[in-house]
Amino acid sequence: DIQMTQSPSTLSTSVGDRVTITCRASQSISNWLAWYQQKPGKAPNLLIYKASSLESGVPSRFSGSGSGTEFTLTISSLQPDDFATYYCQHYNSFPFTFGPGTKVDI
Amino acid sequence: EVQLVESGGGLVQPGRSLRLSCAASGFTFDDYSMHWVRQAPGKGLEWVSGISWNSDYIGNADSVKGRFTISRDNAKNSLYLQMNSLRAEDTALYYCAKDRDSKDNAFDIWGQGTMVTVSS
Repeated sequence: DIQMTQSPSTLSTSVGDRVTITCRASQSISNWLAWYQQKPGKAPNLLIYKASSLESGVPSRFSGSGSGTEFTLTISSLQPDDFATYYCQHYNSFPFTFGPGTKVDI
Repeated sequence: EVQLVESGGGLVQPGRSLRLSCAASGFTFDDYSMHWVRQAPGKGLEWVSGISWNSDYIGNADSVKGRFTISRDNAKNSLYLQMNSLRAEDTALYYCAKDRDSKDNAFDIWGQGTMVTVSS
């Protein structure tokens, strides 16, 4: 099974900061990677699919890059609404796996 | 409006069974693969099980293999998760989610979740 790791686990930031979260897969997953944002008490929300494609309705300050085993989610200028937990997920083959999450807080 | 609504959660004793349901609306259900994802209190997301549009392809997490069975009824626009031999570590909020499209398995729509608590 493919294992996913994320770093950092927690990110203390400020409004306006550029934020970068890294996700690594234990083997190549091509570009079959998604990023989700989750706020407390809410279901996750899809931000990025196929590693770098922005989901409809998601602000353009979010971007994704990478392929193979290393991926990055970037928030170009952090907004108050962006304080949340972010998860990567591979969907290369069953079983799909999520990363452990990165909490972005103040 | 595209919507997924889970039901069937509750308090159950260890070793017992529970069946979750997910009612889909607002999209052509049998065009999409569907999944169950769970989240234990205060923990991260865990993919549990997935099923293709025609039920030909099914996958399960190692943690639930042999105990949980995913199924769907396209005529009823419904997804199910039969959970047997439940354990305390199965306590979680269970979400159903749909694939983004037939060629991309990212999860674009999620339900609000149904809580399962396994305790004596």
